Amino acid sequence: EAGVAQSPRYKIIEKRQSVAFWCNPISGHATLYWYQQILGQGPKLLIQFQNNGVVDDSQLPKDRFSAERLKGVDSTLKIQPAKLEDSAVYLCASSLVAGQTGQPQHFGDGTRLSIL
Amino acid sequence: SQQGEEDPQALSIQEGENATMNCSYKTSINNLQWYRQNSGRGLVHLILIRSNEREKHSGRLRVTLDTSKKSSSLLITASRAADTASYFCATDADSWGKLQFGAGTQVVVTP
Repeated sequence: EAGVAQSPRYKIIEKRQSVAFWCNPISGHATLYWYQQILGQGPKLLIQFQNNGVVDDSQLPKDRFSAERLKGVDSTLKIQPAKLEDSAVYLCASSLVAGQTGQPQHFGDGTRLSIL
Repeated sequence: SQQGEEDPQALSIQEGENATMNCSYKTSINNLQWYRQNSGRGLVHLILIRSNEREKHSGRLRVTLDTSKKSSSLLITASRAADTASYFCATDADSWGKLQFGAGTQVVVTP
């Protein structure tokens, strides 16, 4: 099966600019996650979708970050305006079943964002 | 905040040796998962152990879970250079499958 697709792989922008990341999960996966991974740390969940509804966005900085998952398939994460501390790898993951524990998550290779 | 904390932060071993890393967490969990991340890549799921299990094996991997001590360990036997990666534990503590990751253990296996 095809894996989780993310684009772009790398992005360099200046602070205060905007940026968007795209994710296409594994076909048929109901749940989609966006994580932020700062260098040397583990991934931190930003937002979790089940189908096209938001389950958890408690750690999403909503003044600058937004995400949507139209039609319950692919998703876009946007940052506007970017700050220096947003430099990180943004990972997308998906899992098969909605609303269930014990689901392994399948990750894309991420977008590495550098803020100048 | 990160629920799981791995120990050690870094580990350097030679091919053929075993690698052991530990994970401690703070709250009750449904299950605990281990992931591997190669440099510049996404995370890959290795193994899941449920809260009512004490030990699980998958190939060269052995995972233990002690819920009374809120800790888990991952053992990689007969390490290979290809095992060089960062290893993360992740706890699943809510009803939606949300994972909280630790900071990881960086493992280097030299030929």
